Amino acid sequence: EVQLVESGGGFVQPGGSLRLSCAPSGFTFSNYAMSWVRQAPGKGLEWVSSIHGDNSGAYYADSVKGRFTITRDNSKNTLFLQMNTLRDGDTAVYFCARDSVPRNGVFDAFDIWGQGTMVIVSS
Amino acid sequence: DIVLTQSPGTLSLSPGERASLSCRASQHVSSNYLAWYQQKPGQAPRLLIFGASTRATGIPDRFSGSGSGTDFTLTISRLEPEDFAVYYCYQYGSSPPFSFGQGTKLQI
Repeated sequence: EVQLVESGGGFVQPGGSLRLSCAPSGFTFSNYAMSWVRQAPGKGLEWVSSIHGDNSGAYYADSVKGRFTITRDNSKNTLFLQMNTLRDGDTAVYFCARDSVPRNGVFDAFDIWGQGTMVIVSS
Repeated sequence: DIVLTQSPGTLSLSPGERASLSCRASQHVSSNYLAWYQQKPGQAPRLLIFGASTRATGIPDRFSGSGSGTDFTLTISRLEPEDFAVYYCYQYGSSPPFSFGQGTKLQI
């Protein structure tokens, strides 16, 4: 079964750091671009970051640029999101998502999503 | 950066009726890289449409997408009870940053 499982969420104070992980199964991880999308409580979806399957490029929303870093370890089949200098506005459920088409250089719509991991930033 | 504006914010309809949801982009969406997602409470989004008009695997044919450039529409021909949810459009054209619309809540 194709699935994604996020972990690493939790409670953190403003200015703190957290690292999220996403573990894929059921497909060849390195063939697919991956992304993080977040959803604040009661709000809509927000694209956060994307990375190509071959690690050739990573991209960020302006709201997280310089604070968040997306990486992947294709040898260990894991996607990461390192979140530093966290703010109240970063409180959200964070979803990892897989591109629908296995190709490099171009991003596609997401067809597989994890169940999400909650991050709460509060003093 | 491309801003997506969805309308209406809330749409009240009954089962069996036809729903039309709009998504307007602030700039041309390259290659019509526009997708539609359905989200129910407590669940991850589900891909309905990609490439503006191609149904994803397993999506019933009552869902259809149309449009190009800056104006896109999701149509649900005959609403089923399970279709009442929040719908988001998403653009992934050319290069990041990508963006979602603010959502349309489809309610009974």
